[in-house]
Amino acid sequence: AQSVTQPDIHITVSEGASLELRCNYSYGATPYLFWYVQSPGQGLQLLLKYFSGDTLVQGIKGFEAEFKRSQSSFNLRKPSVHWSDAAEYFCAVGGGTGNQFYFGTGTSLTVIP
Amino acid sequence: DGGITQSPKYLFRKEGQNVTLSCEQNLNHDAMYWYRQDPGQGLRLIYYSQIVNDFQKGDIAEGYSVSREKKESFPLTVTSAQKNPTAFYLCASRQRDGQTYGYTFGSGTRLTVV
Repeated sequence: AQSVTQPDIHITVSEGASLELRCNYSYGATPYLFWYVQSPGQGLQLLLKYFSGDTLVQGIKGFEAEFKRSQSSFNLRKPSVHWSDAAEYFCAVGGGTGNQFYFGTGTSLTVIP
Repeated sequence: DGGITQSPKYLFRKEGQNVTLSCEQNLNHDAMYWYRQDPGQGLRLIYYSQIVNDFQKGDIAEGYSVSREKKESFPLTVTSAQKNPTAFYLCASRQRDGQTYGYTFGSGTRLTVV
């Protein structure tokens, strides 16, 4: 069965510190992987995506993610967090024409000064 | 600029009422989706449509209905049969063959039962 697990419900980091948000997936075919960010009361914005090629992908706002097939993981990282990064982050997996995506339950990020 | 417009942003429903949430896109996307978001549960798929006049149930379709009469529009009706409709509803779209591009999301509608 297809699924996405985000083990950390909530993470708090200090501004300027590094960040890693975890994502593990289960998918029967070649996965297409995505990270989205959601500010309170808003829709989701695409941060980055992976579907082939280099396993380290760069996204917007200084985020990057690394696809590790052997670990079924797609962790999101940022070397130095800014206060404006405080939001909810969702990992998603999908693939194939017209197939739906599967979302994790999200990780809420708090940034302290 | 192209995008997805959801309206209204806030909606209040009385017990036993049907309400309709609007979703319009000008991205020329083929596929459209409705998700429900509850705290701690992530996004759950209600309905999706890959072409006009065709749609499929998602994981939690009971108590909801949709139509897809135009490519640009995919309204969601929350019926009185939906016993716990209070949630944040998100509409999304993508190219039917554009799975590598991910979804584009609207800004959501928050529905509250009063």
